[in-house]
Amino acid sequence: GAVVSQHPSRVICKSGTSVKIECRSLDFQATTMFWYRQFPKQSLMLMATSNEGSKATYEQGVEKDKFLINHASLTLSTLTVTSAHPEDSSFYICSAKVRGRSSYNEQFFGPGTRLTVL
Amino acid sequence: AQKVTQAQTEISVVEKEDVTLDCVYETRDTTYYLFWYKQPPSGELVFLIRRNSFDEQNEISGRYSWNFQKSTSSFNFTITASQVVDSAVYFCALNSNYQLIWGAGTKLIIKP
Repeated sequence: GAVVSQHPSRVICKSGTSVKIECRSLDFQATTMFWYRQFPKQSLMLMATSNEGSKATYEQGVEKDKFLINHASLTLSTLTVTSAHPEDSSFYICSAKVRGRSSYNEQFFGPGTRLTVL
Repeated sequence: AQKVTQAQTEISVVEKEDVTLDCVYETRDTTYYLFWYKQPPSGELVFLIRRNSFDEQNEISGRYSWNFQKSTSSFNFTITASQVVDSAVYFCALNSNYQLIWGAGTKLIIKP
């Protein structure tokens, strides 16, 4: 149980285009989903926290107009990179917190999406 | 402040050697959780272990073992008889309320 999928796993796009990444919890409901960005040889950096039905909370330094997050249901959150540029090339990872488990912040991670902007 | 330090950027050993990855954390919380994740070249994070702050028992899982010491705020990870398949980046993380605090990661290279 507790499987999180991401689609696509890999995407290459031209500079200036927008890219949407989907994160789905396959066998559980996720009240909260997290989006991380990981540059090569670096650790994970939290970009934003999204709660179902409400606006995402962005970390300092993350442009909310550039990285649009929509948590439309308890099993789906999307991250749209708008007007992508080469510096947005990175590995994007989502995670989901299981609804009802509040004893600690247990997160289940998706397999990641590798974005390359040409 | 919440912080996780993995001082070893990269470790390289020959197969079958034992290797220990260090993790030192800082937190003011009395209740917290510590994690280790493995990230192979594919990028997908693999959960290895979770330990809560009230359980200082060391844990062994096959070739893997973990040493949690609150007195030194450390949560070290040892691989015994390392194998090439253990090559990956390993992250230590601290759960703080609503988010995970990540260490910088240690790249482990196991040479055949």
